[in-house]
Amino acid sequence: EAGVTQSPTHLIKTRGQQATLRCSPISGHTSVYWYQQALGLGLQFLLWYDEGEERNRGNFPPRFSGRQFPNYSSELNVNALELEDSALYLCASSLWLGGVGNTIYFGEGSWLTVV
Amino acid sequence: AQKITQTQPGMFVQEKEAVTLDCTYDTSDQSYGLFWYKQPSSGEMIFLIYQGSYDEQNATEGRYSLNFQKARKSANLVISASQLGDSAMYFCAMREANNAGNMLTFGGGTRLMVKP
Repeated sequence: EAGVTQSPTHLIKTRGQQATLRCSPISGHTSVYWYQQALGLGLQFLLWYDEGEERNRGNFPPRFSGRQFPNYSSELNVNALELEDSALYLCASSLWLGGVGNTIYFGEGSWLTVV
Repeated sequence: AQKITQTQPGMFVQEKEAVTLDCTYDTSDQSYGLFWYKQPSSGEMIFLIYQGSYDEQNATEGRYSLNFQKARKSANLVISASQLGDSAMYFCAMREANNAGNMLTFGGGTRLMVKP
């Protein structure tokens, strides 16, 4: 069974441009999460989508946005890129059954470099 | 206050020995889940083990076990018989029942280096 897949693996963009990252969840999973892992800052929660709706977002400016498609895949858009947006962007998926035990499975991440 | 604290930025362990990675957490919820993930240099976060707050037994998964001490709010990961491939970053994470956002909150991680 395929895991969470992300594309592209690496992306280099110029400051001010827009970046789009894509994610396909594990088959059967309806929830998709996005995390940012900047150097030295740990994993910061960005967004949670479930059944096509944004359920929660972390403490990030509105230029970070995304969506979830009917097939549960998702994309993350980062507008007006800034140098500090350079990071590993991790997508994860899970079932959403309520409770605390739903394991979140991550993809290999997309490395975004802003120059 | 930090929700998840991992006090060991880096650790060395000799191959074939056991190692304990520390994790303490802070929550007022009675129901919560604790997770450990491994992140090799490639970047992928690999799920290792899960412990629910109501689980009476410590979780085990192969060479991984979780030393869960609820009163002390600690959930240490024990890796037995370390292998060179265990060299990676290890993250402790928590989900709280009253967290409507459903997300995991992560600690700062511990870099484990296994020496041959």
